[in-house]
Amino acid sequence: ELKVEQNPLFLSMQEGKNYTIYCNYSTTSDRLYWYRQDPGKSLESLFVLLSNGAVKQEGRLMASLDTKARLSTLHITAAVHDLSATYFCAVDGNNNDMRFGAGTRLTVKP
Amino acid sequence: GAVVSQHPSWVICKSGTSVKIECRSLDFQATTMFWYRQFPKQSLMLMATSNEGSKATYEQGVEKDKFLINHASLTLSTLTVTSAHPEDSSFYICSASSGRQYEQYFGPGTRLTVT
Repeated sequence: ELKVEQNPLFLSMQEGKNYTIYCNYSTTSDRLYWYRQDPGKSLESLFVLLSNGAVKQEGRLMASLDTKARLSTLHITAAVHDLSATYFCAVDGNNNDMRFGAGTRLTVKP
Repeated sequence: GAVVSQHPSWVICKSGTSVKIECRSLDFQATTMFWYRQFPKQSLMLMATSNEGSKATYEQGVEKDKFLINHASLTLSTLTVTSAHPEDSSFYICSASSGRQYEQYFGPGTRLTVT
């Protein structure tokens, strides 16, 4: 069974600081996703990573994928308050069913 | 493009009644739709996968007789929570895939409260 683990589960950062969220998964998968969820809202797609070594960046967020290590990272650079949200990674299973990590609740403080 | 809607966005129902949630792909044909449940401050848990015109595949531990899924067309899937109980109160999110591409597109979610 595909398992997806994220850490940390909670992250409190000061504005301007950098940090990384980690996502490990248990079986081979071709695709890894990062989503953002604001309270009471659905998911907003951030990144789709399709191959080993893939790196994507959007603003202060950068995601990477190492399929050999079964590890993805979401790096936050110079955090700002607007980035406060819950971030989920997700991995495609064998039937294109998506398995989610537990989520990382990020709070950026001034 | 790739917009998925859900209706209603929130619903309150009494214990023992049934409630239907609709998931529509507005600008593409969804060969596969997924239903997720999210309890407060928890992750999304896949409930079932439905392909148009065939029976849904339910995840282990999800009662198929309680959560009825119908994917009758390429743009509409419905989830009916039958004989709802307070423990069914949750945020239900659907997603849709065209099958041509890998990505799933998520709906805005439906918040169900059972009193």
